[in-house]
Amino acid sequence: DTAVSQTPKYLVTQMGNDKSIKCEQNLGHDTMYWYKQDSKKFLKIMFSYNNKELIINETVPNRFSPKSPDKAHLNLHINSLELGDSAVYFCASSQGTGDLPLHFGNGTRLTVT
Amino acid sequence: GQSLEQPSEVTAVEGAIVQINCTYQTSGFYGLSWYQQHDGGAPTFLSYNALDGLEETGRFSSFLSRSDSYGYLLLQELQMKDSASYFCASRGLGSARQLTFGSGTQLTVLP
Repeated sequence: DTAVSQTPKYLVTQMGNDKSIKCEQNLGHDTMYWYKQDSKKFLKIMFSYNNKELIINETVPNRFSPKSPDKAHLNLHINSLELGDSAVYFCASSQGTGDLPLHFGNGTRLTVT
Repeated sequence: GQSLEQPSEVTAVEGAIVQINCTYQTSGFYGLSWYQQHDGGAPTFLSYNALDGLEETGRFSSFLSRSDSYGYLLLQELQMKDSASYFCASRGLGSARQLTFGSGTQLTVLP
């Protein structure tokens, strides 16, 4: 069973479109995250939710909107996509806030043309 | 804030030992962890040091010196499958204590 699963794995879209990435974890964890990995492999946190409550919102354009319908799911919606949004987006989870380790999904490679 | 520095690339041969260093500057510190990421894959947890000293897990060991703000990951008996990116990461102060990653070290193991 996949612990942290995200869909789609690949997403190719044009500038200006709106797209969503879904993430689900079956580990029973309370905390979920979205990380962005750029072309230089730098991993940067975007958002974190603990029990459906937003606890981290880094400096991210408000075109990015996370939504957590329950503690097992954290989705990411992106409006008006730009070229610079092209990256790999990783969902992750941990038992609680500040807990280790983080369990990562396999990533969604977003390409904006 | 947090910042972690690692070498960008390391190359070694099969069977050798390699050390990947990480120096950090943090406004608070809750330990140093290491993640491995193969090309196209997800980062996976390797080890965590909360206190000074060496932690050993099979062929991999991790070391921390809080007084020097320094740690390293030691990989022994290198295998081709160890070719990957390795990230150090630390948590800082604040209620969220989010994990901040270093820029990663690309390890290439040659036959």
